[in-house]
Amino acid sequence: GAGVSQSPRYKVTKRGQDVALRCDPISGHVSLYWYRQALGQGPEFLTYFNYEAQQDKSGLPNDRFSAERPEGSISTLTIQRTEQRDSAMYRCASSLVPSGLAGYNEQFFGPGTRLTVL
Amino acid sequence: SQQGEEDPQALSIQEGENATMNCSYKTSINNLQWYRQNSGRGLVHLILIRSNEREKHSGRLRVTLDTSKKSSSLLITASRAADTASYFCATSQASWGKLQFGAGTQVVVTP
Repeated sequence: GAGVSQSPRYKVTKRGQDVALRCDPISGHVSLYWYRQALGQGPEFLTYFNYEAQQDKSGLPNDRFSAERPEGSISTLTIQRTEQRDSAMYRCASSLVPSGLAGYNEQFFGPGTRLTVL
Repeated sequence: SQQGEEDPQALSIQEGENATMNCSYKTSINNLQWYRQNSGRGLVHLILIRSNEREKHSGRLRVTLDTSKKSSSLLITASRAADTASYFCATSQASWGKLQFGAGTQVVVTP
């Protein structure tokens, strides 16, 4: 079946503009994660959801960043008043096993959205 | 901040040789996972080892975990050109939730 999809794949914006990044998880996956990856580094956790509930947002850098998953499927990561330091690859992942239950979560990653803030 | 550190940062080998990379982490974990990232593509899960396990195999991959030293190693045997990628270890402090990644080891396998 289809994997995790993200859109757009590339986004170039000007400083101060708002951007919305979309993630469509694997069908049936109840946990959804957002990570940010700088060049030459590993992904850095931002936030995650179980169904529609945001479980952990400790990785969001500041209040310009927010995420939602209103129907427990597609998620949107929004960055308001973008700054050049927000430029990075934003990756979404999903997992099948609901977080908090027995089992270990293998996370399936999407191709990412490359955000460039000019 | 990142939990793990991989060593070496880069590794260049010839096809058929074995590749070994190490991961050290700072705090206690529930499980440790290894992921591969090909150039310009997404991350692919390779293997998961639980904190109460010491060694695990999957195909040509062998992972060890030493919780007393807070370290793990990934061995790829009989490497192929298609193994060229960046390899990341990721730790989880619970059986669920966020992963904390290291900076990765870049492996180049030449024919």
